[in-house]
Amino acid sequence: NAGVMQNPRHLVRRRGQEARLRCSPMKGHSHVYWYRQLPEEGLKFMVYLQKENIIDESGMPKERFSAEFPKEGPSILRIQQVVRGDSAAYFCASSPRGTDDGYTFGSGTRLTVV
Amino acid sequence: EDQVTQSPEALRLQEGESSSLNCSYTVSGLRGLFWYRQDPGKGPEFLFTLYSAGEEKEKERLKATLTKKESFLHITAPKPEDSATYLCAAPNAGGTSYGKLTFGQGTILTVHP
Repeated sequence: NAGVMQNPRHLVRRRGQEARLRCSPMKGHSHVYWYRQLPEEGLKFMVYLQKENIIDESGMPKERFSAEFPKEGPSILRIQQVVRGDSAAYFCASSPRGTDDGYTFGSGTRLTVV
Repeated sequence: EDQVTQSPEALRLQEGESSSLNCSYTVSGLRGLFWYRQDPGKGPEFLFTLYSAGEEKEKERLKATLTKKESFLHITAPKPEDSATYLCAAPNAGGTSYGKLTFGQGTILTVHP
């Protein structure tokens, strides 16, 4: 019974490249949430997705960031033309239904932009 | 704007020395208050949900309590393995009805043997 799987665990990108972060939710979970943890800051909500739908993207930066959760396959957080300020830990969580209550987090992807 | 504030930022304890962490919140229409534990290099691990003032929940050496304005995480006779960052979070009142949590900055707990 694998938990929420995120890959890669560590990702290094040069400024201007694209970063693709993947999240496979727990088996049976169809709701996915992405959070970002900047150095010296707390976790910040980015986006909430169900299969093939974006439910709430109020925490996503207006440019360069996008997210999807297709019918088949993992959820993808995509960052185009990365800048040094994008360096952070990105966490994904999942739940079997829409809920606030104690959803399960993955171990995160640590993005470093050089 | 919804806010969740934790104190202290860091806490050093000797093994067996009990203490409490604080989480104060300004969230209208609170729908729950959550506590998580985060170890270095890992994602947050869910501990407790509290829904109403006066509610208490316990797990091993941890006990979480909730009042109308704040929550406490009491740690009784801590052990070195309790060392971690403890986070509290509350659901946002606005936007979608669920899914969006506001997290506090966390309290870094270090328990020395």
